[in-house]
Amino acid sequence: QKEVEQNSGPLSVPEGAIASLNCTYSDRGSQSFFWYRQYSGKSPELIMSIYSNGDKEDGRFTAQLNKASQYVSLLIRDSQPSDSATYLCAVNVDDKIIFGKGTRLHILP
Amino acid sequence: DAGITQSPRYKITETGRQVTLMCHQTWSHSYMFWYRQDLGHGLRLIYYSAAADITDKGEVPDGYVVSRSKTENFPLTLESATRSQTSVYFCASIRLAPHEQFFGPGTRLTVL
Repeated sequence: QKEVEQNSGPLSVPEGAIASLNCTYSDRGSQSFFWYRQYSGKSPELIMSIYSNGDKEDGRFTAQLNKASQYVSLLIRDSQPSDSATYLCAVNVDDKIIFGKGTRLHILP
Repeated sequence: DAGITQSPRYKITETGRQVTLMCHQTWSHSYMFWYRQDLGHGLRLIYYSAAADITDKGEVPDGYVVSRSKTENFPLTLESATRSQTSVYFCASIRLAPHEQFFGPGTRLTVL
């Protein structure tokens, strides 16, 4: 079992709606959690990091962490066509940054 | 220009040949990483390095060798390339405070 699990999608969301992306991880000792966005043919870019339980908001993005459930999520409010990309969840496991397979998000105009 | 660069950007080689992918960063970040990205597998960690002369295996290290004699360089060598090593390879480094991982532009490697 991979250490970081994501639904591969594609997840289709109408423009203006909320997109919800989920991730689970297996290492209970993990302390750092990240969401990356990757456009086709490009490098991943960091959009959110979260270290403690609860919500962290940055503009239209909200990351949510529940360490007891080993669950991380990313909410994108007011989804735009430019949000169409693959979203990668990553977890720091003993100084190694381990990625999930990514969820493809498609925003429908 | 500051940043993280990879060379070559594209490489075609043949089975059994040795190939070295280069990675250079200008920030003096301690941690550096090599990933490969394949359809259906996402990003998988090959090797990482916590500092010069300190390297460790990731999820898929077999068939690869790394070295880190200088902080800014982290080359990845395929000693005898196989077709299964056809992939896009990303190098990355981490800034610790605030914590952020930066990726290079990637090297697309094809092994015939």
